[in-house]
Amino acid sequence: QPVLTQPPSASASLGASVTLTCTLSSGYSNYKVDWYQQRPGKGPRFVMRVGTGGIVGSKGDGIPDRFSVLGSGLNRYLTIKNIQEEDESDYHCGADHGSGNNFYVVFGGGTKLTVL
Amino acid sequence: EVQLVESGGGLVQPGGSLRLSCAASGFTFSSYNMNWVRQAPGKGLEWVSYISSSSTTKYYADSVKGRFTISRDNAKNSLYLQMNSLRDEDTAVYYCARNRLTDYSIDYWGQGTLVTVSS
Repeated sequence: QPVLTQPPSASASLGASVTLTCTLSSGYSNYKVDWYQQRPGKGPRFVMRVGTGGIVGSKGDGIPDRFSVLGSGLNRYLTIKNIQEEDESDYHCGADHGSGNNFYVVFGGGTKLTVL
Repeated sequence: EVQLVESGGGLVQPGGSLRLSCAASGFTFSSYNMNWVRQAPGKGLEWVSYISSSSTTKYYADSVKGRFTISRDNAKNSLYLQMNSLRDEDTAVYYCARNRLTDYSIDYWGQGTLVTVSS
């Protein structure tokens, strides 16, 4: 199973841009990753899925155009432009694998984004 | 509007049992694969279990295998998690979560129900 590594924290000023990173462990460069937003006290919210070719499928319901993704090598990025107060959240990445009797979903530790 | 509402959480002693329920609405429940995902206090997300739309296929995380059982009732639009032999480390908020149709991305989550295992 891959290990997903995320920095524990990030910060950005109101109106600025920030890029969050999720790094897959070696040997898993073909894996797609899902990004989730979790506001304090709430359940996670699906943002979008990303592979090395970019977004996979559609964004989650209500996710603004300010959110975009990119994938390169072992890294999967989530960029938020023109940051708003409501973007202050924990951001989690997750990866899944389903083949025959082998199925798993793994998550990174999450990045807490603070809006300054 | 898609809604997933969990219930059944609470305080239970180590070794005890609990059954979680998830009421689904706003979509054709019988067409979607479903999951349980948990989050210990102040920690990250941990996938617990998966069930296919027709209950044909079920998977479990190693940490709960043999103790937890996932099931569903498509006639009642409901998902369940039977938890036995509970341990302190099972303390967490448990989320009901839906896979989207095209892949294993989880596109909707409930608000969660808190399970506390303590003597």
